Amino acid sequence: GESVGLHLPTLSVQEGDNSIINCAYSNSASDYFIWYKQESGKGPQFIIDIRSNMDKRQGQRVTVLLNKTVKHLSLQIAATQPGDSAVYFCAETHKAQGAQKLVFGQGTRLTINP
Amino acid sequence: GAGVSQSPRYKVAKRGQDVALRCDPISGHVSLFWYQQALGQGPEFLTYFQNEAQLDKSGLPSDRFFAERPEGSVSTLKIQRTQQEDSAVYLCASSLGSGGYYGYTFGSGTRLTVV
Repeated sequence: GESVGLHLPTLSVQEGDNSIINCAYSNSASDYFIWYKQESGKGPQFIIDIRSNMDKRQGQRVTVLLNKTVKHLSLQIAATQPGDSAVYFCAETHKAQGAQKLVFGQGTRLTINP
Repeated sequence: GAGVSQSPRYKVAKRGQDVALRCDPISGHVSLFWYQQALGQGPEFLTYFQNEAQLDKSGLPSDRFFAERPEGSVSTLKIQRTQQEDSAVYLCASSLGSGGYYGYTFGSGTRLTVV
């Protein structure tokens, strides 16, 4: 079935380095993508989103890249900080679902080494 | 309130027991969603309300799962005759609008453990 998945389940980086978290999606009809951060015991927290008519979007210390040709999404976090330690999920939806139902990937756990 | 509130935070149920999970969305939010998150997995969609209307319940895993939002605000997810496979975190999210690309705000979830 349709799914959104991640290449790596865990990622460990040094504090201050840049982090890149990847996500592959299989539904070519997907037109809206969101990255969420989830800390232990909390619900997913919105980080950044991107629509399919864009290939790059920047926020504060975060950048999302979308490659529709290979159906790939990435989240770049600049100058990683201890507070960035969490599980990161990509999620997708598309107009046929009324942009309501999100399909989440499995998640990548990001660990920051001091 | 300032955020989405879910109660209880933790629930331990004996197999076969019925449970009810409550969600208080952000005031004025039209859309409300329930997701199920198994340990180590991403959230999976259960059901969606627009005001009091349940527009999509395609994700409910069985007829033991039932959700309602009678007045278009607070929602309750009920699970009858709980089974061990129902153990998960149940997340509620709300959104200001409907039918478009509106951001969700998630609650912290209810962790259900069936023993």
